Amino acid sequence: GAVVSQHPSRVICKSGTSVKIECRSLDFQATTMFWYRQFPKKSLMLMATSNEGSKATYEQGVEKDKFLINHASLTLSTLTVTSAHPEDSSFYICSASSGGPDTDTQYFGPGTRLTVL
Amino acid sequence: LAKTTQPISMDSYEGQEVNITCSHNNIATNDYITWYQQFPSQGPRFIIQGYKTKVTNEVASLFIPADRKSSTLSLPRVSLSDTAVYYCLVGDRYTGRRALTFGSGTRLQVQP
Repeated sequence: GAVVSQHPSRVICKSGTSVKIECRSLDFQATTMFWYRQFPKKSLMLMATSNEGSKATYEQGVEKDKFLINHASLTLSTLTVTSAHPEDSSFYICSASSGGPDTDTQYFGPGTRLTVL
Repeated sequence: LAKTTQPISMDSYEGQEVNITCSHNNIATNDYITWYQQFPSQGPRFIIQGYKTKVTNEVASLFIPADRKSSTLSLPRVSLSDTAVYYCLVGDRYTGRRALTFGSGTRLQVQP
């Protein structure tokens, strides 16, 4: 089946530093990847849509200069949290589509737990 | 995307069948119904998708009445490992082509 990986699985950083999270589709090519964040006991919230070879589309209220997204290839998208602050601490989840003419299911990565001290 | 309503939480015991109902009164003609499962600190996992009547796979069954204004996810003989949050989503069957709007989900707790 379609597998999406994320790295790192968890990261702890100091306030003011930048953190990069990688999202990879391991056995398929993904033209589009999505980034979500999830706070404890809450549902997933879409942050941005990442398109290979073009700029990401951000949801309202998500700062594009703070959450930099790069989709350099059909199997890799990265999310960089710049100048991270404690309020950025969250669970970040990416997803990608396996594509197909009949069905096009969205598969999710295992998530990255970011803790900003 | 059509708005969905699910129970916030449900409790069950091991070996029982669990049915989680989702209401989607404003479902559009072309909309499909998709269910995801999420364990704590993990990404959601696709369970099942359907359009009408009944769909069954190795994990669950999905029952959709003729008016399609609701759907029921059925988990046969649940075990402790089925304790998770279950999300019902309604929209284009090509879930991979657009971002998904997650509702609050149903938190299922399975007791021994």
